[in-house]
Amino acid sequence: SQKIEQNSEALNIQEGKTATLTCNYTNYSPAYLQWYRQDPGRGPVFLLLIRENEKEKRKERLKVTFDTTLKQSLFHITASQPADSATYLCALAATGGGADGLTFGKGTHLIIQP
Amino acid sequence: EAQVTQNPRYLITVTGKKLTVTCSQNMNHEYMSWYRQDPGLGLRQIYYSMNVEVTDKGDVPEGYKVSRKEKRNFPLILESPSPNQTSLYFCASLTTGQGGEAFFGQGTRLTVV
Repeated sequence: SQKIEQNSEALNIQEGKTATLTCNYTNYSPAYLQWYRQDPGRGPVFLLLIRENEKEKRKERLKVTFDTTLKQSLFHITASQPADSATYLCALAATGGGADGLTFGKGTHLIIQP
Repeated sequence: EAQVTQNPRYLITVTGKKLTVTCSQNMNHEYMSWYRQDPGLGLRQIYYSMNVEVTDKGDVPEGYKVSRKEKRNFPLILESPSPNQTSLYFCASLTTGQGGEAFFGQGTRLTVV
């Protein structure tokens, strides 16, 4: 069956360091992969999208990589700040433009300590 | 401002009493979806709609109904709520053709007693 795995344990990072979150998937051929941020009790907010033919995408302090051979995406936050503390979700859409919508991982809770 | 609006934000109801959670988007998106989020289970898709009058089941559709009579609205209906439907619900509206970025509503926290 299709599976999306994110580290379920909280990730504690010291302020100023780079935080790296992992998203692994199995039995899936995603056309693209997305990353969202979710704060407690609020809806997820879109951060970045990377397509299957792209290796890396950047946006300000954020960087995403996508390795379709390893079936893995890495999400990096450089120069991390306490305000980056949140849960980060990866989401996959199958080929065909997302006709079945997005399937989300369970998320990784990131804590940036001052 | 691009928005997905859900109502109500909080709802406590009793078992068996029909309820509707409304969802409206102002981005003219064809694709809309409902998710529920539970601790340890993440976001799970309940129903989705690819256009007006086109709806389909997601991963956990049992106990829910939806309708899509107009593009902007996608209500979620619980005909006979049960305690296992206590959850945090999110409506989402998606762009298509460019990667399907999802815009989420603010959430509805439902408690069924």
